[in-house]
Amino acid sequence: QVHLVESGGGLVKPGGSLRLSCAASEFTFSDYYMSWIRQAPGKGLEWISFISSSGSTTYYADSVRGRFTISRDNAKNSLHLQMNSLRAEDTAVYYCARSSYGSPNLDSWGQGTLVTVSS
Amino acid sequence: QSALTQPASVSGSPGQSITISCTGTSSDVGAYNYVSWYQQHPGKAPKLMLYDVTNRPSGVSNRFSGSKSGNTASLTISGLQAEDEADYYCCSYTSSNTLWVFGGGTKLTVL
Repeated sequence: QVHLVESGGGLVKPGGSLRLSCAASEFTFSDYYMSWIRQAPGKGLEWISFISSSGSTTYYADSVRGRFTISRDNAKNSLHLQMNSLRAEDTAVYYCARSSYGSPNLDSWGQGTLVTVSS
Repeated sequence: QSALTQPASVSGSPGQSITISCTGTSSDVGAYNYVSWYQQHPGKAPKLMLYDVTNRPSGVSNRFSGSKSGNTASLTISGLQAEDEADYYCCSYTSSNTLWVFGGGTKLTVL
């Protein structure tokens, strides 16, 4: 059974940084594209970043481009999201999810990690 | 990139059918057959229900079906059951430089 576990969330001050991780298991991590999706409290889902299986191609939502960086380590079956210049509006549960090609077929999700940006 | 447009809420009685719409533009829903739908129960992670407009992942009930016409995709749930009560989100590939965009979500209430 596919297993995705996010970690690294917590409370951070505006302007601060945080690095999220997603540990993958029970599937061949290097065969899949990975994404980060977030959900602000009481709000809808927002796709924020994508990385190809090799890590050579990345995409970002306008809301995070230039502040967030997605990366992966296929040798360690891990996905990361480096978040800089955090704002109050970045407060959300952050999910990692996998897909098998360019279509948004996000077939497995982690349980999410909460990031709170507040002074 | 603006979110795709979904109704805020829909409702139906057990056994009935409901349809949730997802309206985009000629740059996303209308341009590609890359629309997926997700079900999310409170406090849980989303679950993929349909992908590429009409395809169901293994294990998803055939009561869930999808279609698309022009810039609008639709999710239909037939034979409504109590456990279908959840939030539903559509997602589409987009030709903008952002890649994917979600709808705002629809709360389904089973009366």
